[in-house]
Amino acid sequence: EPEVTQTPSHQVTQMGQEVILRCVPISNHLYFYWYRQILGQKVEFLVSFYNNEISEKSEIFDDQFSVERPDGSNFTLKIRSTKLEDSAMYFCASSGGAVSDTQYFGPGTRLTVL
Amino acid sequence: AQTVTQSQPEMSVQEAETVTLSCTYDTSESDYYLFWYKQPPSRQMILVIRQEAYKQQNATENRFSVNFQKAAKSFSLKISDSQLGDAAMYFCAYRSAERYSTLTFGKGTMLLVSP
Repeated sequence: EPEVTQTPSHQVTQMGQEVILRCVPISNHLYFYWYRQILGQKVEFLVSFYNNEISEKSEIFDDQFSVERPDGSNFTLKIRSTKLEDSAMYFCASSGGAVSDTQYFGPGTRLTVL
Repeated sequence: AQTVTQSQPEMSVQEAETVTLSCTYDTSESDYYLFWYKQPPSRQMILVIRQEAYKQQNATENRFSVNFQKAAKSFSLKISDSQLGDAAMYFCAYRSAERYSTLTFGKGTMLLVSP
């Protein structure tokens, strides 16, 4: 069964450094998403991406964040200058092209900012 | 804005027993989707079951079923014949049929399963 994959599983970085989190969505899906879960808190929507552009973003997704689909398979989330409060689990998800389609999640990347 | 509330931070059940996890939501929309996701210790979010608001029939997936009460804005998950592998954090989530990018999650219910 196809699944969303994410790399790395765990990323440790110093405050102020740039990080890139990578995701490979399910191959025939058209919508891609990033969510964040700070430890002990609820999962929060960051951004959705469709047709090579952002379709929706939350207030969390400020200028420090960017997303890109650099090729036909990868979907990346870049944080330009990490802060301590960016430490969280980051989940990538993808869904098909229909409104009714379910979002399927990857296993997540745990980001630790020191 | 939509909100999702899970009022039970933790629930316990014994193997083979049945447990119900509660979820309520607030929305002014008439068409939407509801989901239960499971997050085991591995942290991966796994879809358990989904419900379309326009469907009156409650969704079922093997041992998992929902009690969807649209008027009451309630969406509970029933797990029958509980197994040790069911132990996980369970999240209820809402998605609008119009703004369908965003999943709004509840805070989750930790389900403990004892032998």
